Amino acid sequence: SQQGEEDPQALSIQEGENATMNCSYKTSINNLQWYRQNSGRGLVHLILIRSNEREKHSGRLRVTLDTSKKSSSLLITASRAADTASYFCASFSNDYKLSFGAGTTVTVRA
Amino acid sequence: SAVISQKPSRDICQRGTSLTIQCQVDSQVTMMFWYRQQPGQSLTLIATANQGSEATYESGFVIDKFPISRPNLTFSTLTVSNMSPEDSSIYLCSVERARGETQYFGPGTRLLVL
Repeated sequence: SQQGEEDPQALSIQEGENATMNCSYKTSINNLQWYRQNSGRGLVHLILIRSNEREKHSGRLRVTLDTSKKSSSLLITASRAADTASYFCASFSNDYKLSFGAGTTVTVRA
Repeated sequence: SAVISQKPSRDICQRGTSLTIQCQVDSQVTMMFWYRQQPGQSLTLIATANQGSEATYESGFVIDKFPISRPNLTFSTLTVSNMSPEDSSIYLCSVERARGETQYFGPGTRLLVL
């Protein structure tokens, strides 16, 4: 079941720029996960942030989590053409279910 | 991590027929799940595949339409029964090694029902 929203729905940026997308969820969570999907293929796991963490980095990715606002953000720095994909947040709730947001489609222009 | 394969990768089927999708994991996992992603949409959980017992279905999904088997800790199947064009979607299996940890996804099965 979809629990959250993501914005923007679509994002177009120039190569080298940063891309930021936001995710909101509705219920208490154990963790929040971000995934990437290229052209309707399988999902690639990017990063998991736990409810007691506020920020996490992985390479060019930076994720923040604000449990008081029930929101998270994903920042991709120095974007590349290969970053063109759909990005989904998924909140893992305390009833052990992973619920996906609507997704943000990112296009990186060369 | 986990290496997950799905068969078939895609199929075109006639309405009224059924298709069984297989999901194979490279090692034993505790939890396996099946999701549906309708065109242009996000993922929706269909059911949790339980080893040795009946699957646990989410609201809006029923066993008669989506029977699931999980005979062991590395394999599961999802059948889409009596298909209609509305069943055209990507079907993905996923696994968790432990509850609350990263969920890994297979490459998906792209189904088109005519």
